Amino acid sequence: RKEVEQDPGPFNVPEGATVAFNCTYSNSASQSFFWYRQDCRKEPKLLMSVYSSGNEDGRFTAQLNRASQYISLLIRDSKLSDSATYLCVVRTGGYQKVTFGTGTKLQVIP
Amino acid sequence: GAGVSQSPSNKVTEKGKDVELRCDPISGHTALYWYRQSLGQGLEFLIYFQGNSAPDKSGLPSDRFSAERTGGSVSTLTIQRTQQEDSAVYLCASSFPSGGQETQYFGPGTRLLVL
Repeated sequence: RKEVEQDPGPFNVPEGATVAFNCTYSNSASQSFFWYRQDCRKEPKLLMSVYSSGNEDGRFTAQLNRASQYISLLIRDSKLSDSATYLCVVRTGGYQKVTFGTGTKLQVIP
Repeated sequence: GAGVSQSPSNKVTEKGKDVELRCDPISGHTALYWYRQSLGQGLEFLIYFQGNSAPDKSGLPSDRFSAERTGGSVSTLTIQRTQQEDSAVYLCASSFPSGGQETQYFGPGTRLLVL
């Protein structure tokens, strides 16, 4: 089983729609969780950290479910500019090595 | 700006040649990572440096790959006797520990094509 698994998609959604992605992780000792965004032929950039109590940043909401070992990302009122690949990132262990998921591709359609 | 820089941005080489890829992390960042991303694929972890600790080389795909980090700053990833399957984007990232919530800042990558 992969350490971090994501549905590769693509998720094709109309503008204004709400879309959610899940990411599962295998190591129950994982400590920190993040969502990164990667545009086509660009480097990944941090979208948001995921906190235990869940957190929101504008149209984006991230949640963590430790019991089921998954994190989620909810995007409300999708914009064309949200089209990208969303990478789930998990940190496990006493140092800062992290594991990236393979990403979920989102395409927002006019 | 003082972001992560990588050089060269593109590299075309012939099968069997050696290549060196360079990463300049953000000043003061003690952690440095190398990843590889093949077309349409996710990030593949290669190697991780943290301060003066021994690097985590668990992701290096073969002994043709090696990396060093001099003076805790600049890092060089070397691929010896390149093969066509080494063609990918090689991404470097750096971070500074901050209670586990540290952000990785990525460089623009080096696009390697092995003919």
